[in-house]
Amino acid sequence: DVKVTQSSRYLVKRTGEKVFLECVQDMDHENMFWYRQDPGLGLRLIYFSYDVKMKEKGDIPEGYSVSREKKERFSLILESASTNQTSMYLCASISEGDKNIQYFGAGTRLSVL
Amino acid sequence: GIQVEQSPPDLILQEGANSTLRCNFSDSVNNLQWFHQNPWGQLINLFYIPSGTKQNGRLSATTVATERYSLLYISSSQTTDSGVYFCAVKTGANSKLTFGKGITLSVRP
Repeated sequence: DVKVTQSSRYLVKRTGEKVFLECVQDMDHENMFWYRQDPGLGLRLIYFSYDVKMKEKGDIPEGYSVSREKKERFSLILESASTNQTSMYLCASISEGDKNIQYFGAGTRLSVL
Repeated sequence: GIQVEQSPPDLILQEGANSTLRCNFSDSVNNLQWFHQNPWGQLINLFYIPSGTKQNGRLSATTVATERYSLLYISSSQTTDSGVYFCAVKTGANSKLTFGKGITLSVRP
């Protein structure tokens, strides 16, 4: 089974802190994604990466950056956390080939106070 | 970009009832997936179904690509079916999926 692991289930941070959310997948997938999920808005793509050191902006990249130094690890960085970044953050990776099935981590619920 | 609309937004069922969840999309797609998010937040892929019909136990899905919609059927619902159901689609060559806003299903015992 594919495993996508997010380092924390719950995080509480202060406004202005630098926050790192880590995600690791064990299936050698090339494509990885970070989403945020907010009530009534569904999942919105923040950034994705299609290879090591490669990244592309998603629909809501403002206030975020990402790092992909190794194929299995994709990090989301909040340079200076703000209260409007309180949300559920979901990492995913995608299988290659015909089906491109997306596999998700368990999510990190971030509260910025 | 492509628009994905799911309906109804909320659904309450009695255990044992059947239901149909709908996903409409605004453009041709080459990938369509249904996901279930359980009450603890974990999203699980239910179906990869860009066209045609598939069944997995009490769940089945049909996508009519020419008419730009997909349906997820849940039969003999159970309380463990509760959660949020998402439809997600992909167009073009990149791997980016666009998600609908989800359908919240509550199954009462």
